[in-house]
Amino acid sequence: NAGVTQTPKFRVLKTGQSMTLLCAQDMNHEYMYWYRQDPGMGLRLIHYSVGEGTTAKGEVPDGYNVSRLKKQNFLLGLESAAPSQTSVYFCASSSFGLMNTEAFFGQGTRLTVV
Amino acid sequence: GQSLEQPSEVTAVEGAIVQINCTYQTSGFYGLSWYQQHDGGAPTFLSYNALDGLEETGRFSSFLSRSDSYGYLLLQELQMKDSASYCCAVRGNAGNMLTFGGGTRLMVKP
Repeated sequence: NAGVTQTPKFRVLKTGQSMTLLCAQDMNHEYMYWYRQDPGMGLRLIHYSVGEGTTAKGEVPDGYNVSRLKKQNFLLGLESAAPSQTSVYFCASSSFGLMNTEAFFGQGTRLTVV
Repeated sequence: GQSLEQPSEVTAVEGAIVQINCTYQTSGFYGLSWYQQHDGGAPTFLSYNALDGLEETGRFSSFLSRSDSYGYLLLQELQMKDSASYCCAVRGNAGNMLTFGGGTRLMVKP
C-alpha cells in the first residue's frame, strides 16, 4: 500500500516563484492536512480539509492556498515564495471516527527558498 | 484557538522509565494523541486517549485527564532506538483540526 505520497520530495525555489505541492492518499480518508515544520520545531497546521471540495485555515495559512477537488488529493500552493517559507512540509490524512484518531503522514517535502 | 505545552528536551538512560507531559487548551476537545518522529523522518502514531485514564500499548502508555487538560506519555524499558521527538496532538474544533505541540526531544544514553 502506498499510503500518503507527497510530490516532490525536494525543491529549491527562487524568491517570488510559485509552486504546487501534491499530496495523494489511497486510503479513502476524509480528512487531510498540510503542516510545516521548521528546524527544531513542532508541526504547525497550515490548512486542512474535512472532505472533497472543502478547505479551512489552520494556524499559519498566510502565503498558502489549497484545493481538494478530488477526495484522494490535497494540493498546497505557494503563489509567491518567500525565504520564510523554507521548511519541511508534511501532508497527513485520517478517517477520524469516534475512537480512531490515527493520522498517516507522507515522507515530507523539503523546500528551500533562496 | 488551540495550544499545547510540553518540555523541549528529556534525557534518560537505557532501561529506565521516562514520562513526557503535555498540557493543552482547545475548544471542542475530541482526544489527545502521541506521535514519534525520528530525525529526518515523518511522524508516526503511537497512542490515543479520548477518555480519562491510562492506555497501554507494549512499552508505551498514555494517560489523559480531561478535567486538568493534561496528559502524559510513559515509556518503559527505554532502548537506544527510542531516541526521537515525541509530540502530543489534540483534536479540537469539533474533531476537525489536529494540532501538535512543539515536541519533546528524548535522548537515551547507554
